[in-house]
Amino acid sequence: DQQVKQNSPSLSVQEGRISILNCDYTNSMFDYFLWYKKYPAEGPTFLISISSIKDKNEDGRFTVFLNKSAKHLSLHIVPSQPGDSAVYFCAAASGTYKYIFGTGTRLKVLA
Amino acid sequence: DAGITQSPRHKVTETGTPVTLRCHQTENHRYMYWYRQDPGHGLRLIHYSYGVKDTDKGEVSDGYSVSRSKTEDFLLTLESATSSQTSVYFCAISDPRDGDEQYFGPGTRLTVT
Repeated sequence: DQQVKQNSPSLSVQEGRISILNCDYTNSMFDYFLWYKKYPAEGPTFLISISSIKDKNEDGRFTVFLNKSAKHLSLHIVPSQPGDSAVYFCAAASGTYKYIFGTGTRLKVLA
Repeated sequence: DAGITQSPRHKVTETGTPVTLRCHQTENHRYMYWYRQDPGHGLRLIHYSYGVKDTDKGEVSDGYSVSRSKTEDFLLTLESATSSQTSVYFCAISDPRDGDEQYFGPGTRLTVT
């Protein structure tokens, strides 16, 4: 059973608009969450993280929101740029350094 | 980029042959990981290491073994490769002294025919 789910395999957004990528989890013990971006033929690169004691973390154009009661997190990218086109993975961990990844969402930002 | 290299970057092998993939880091990070990436499954943890000679299983460890005899190297071995092990393999590192994020290598594309 998938503990971390990204239910949208793909998303298309116009340049300059907001991109919202969603992630749901089932394990209430998860206390740390991360987002990664992956370009083709490269390894994933870290984007932003949030711990369970917060409900929001911001870094430039990227903001992650955590709703613990709904077991849901989202990544907002504002404004979206063509260079943001990539696959985005969310990941979660529970007090260890063992991360469970979602299946990824492919974001396409249209110029 | 974090100093992580993987070798080989590409490999084609036949069913039943042994294969070893190498991950090398120059960051002196404590934790090292092996993942595989497959369409529809995202990144799945195969094995990880929390120190020299200290390893543990991940979600999809069957058919794989690992070894870590020194901090900088983490080896993934497929004792007898099967077609279901055709995948892209990523190594990652992390360390509590450097935050909780993992840094990934460039990947190894393995094809088992």
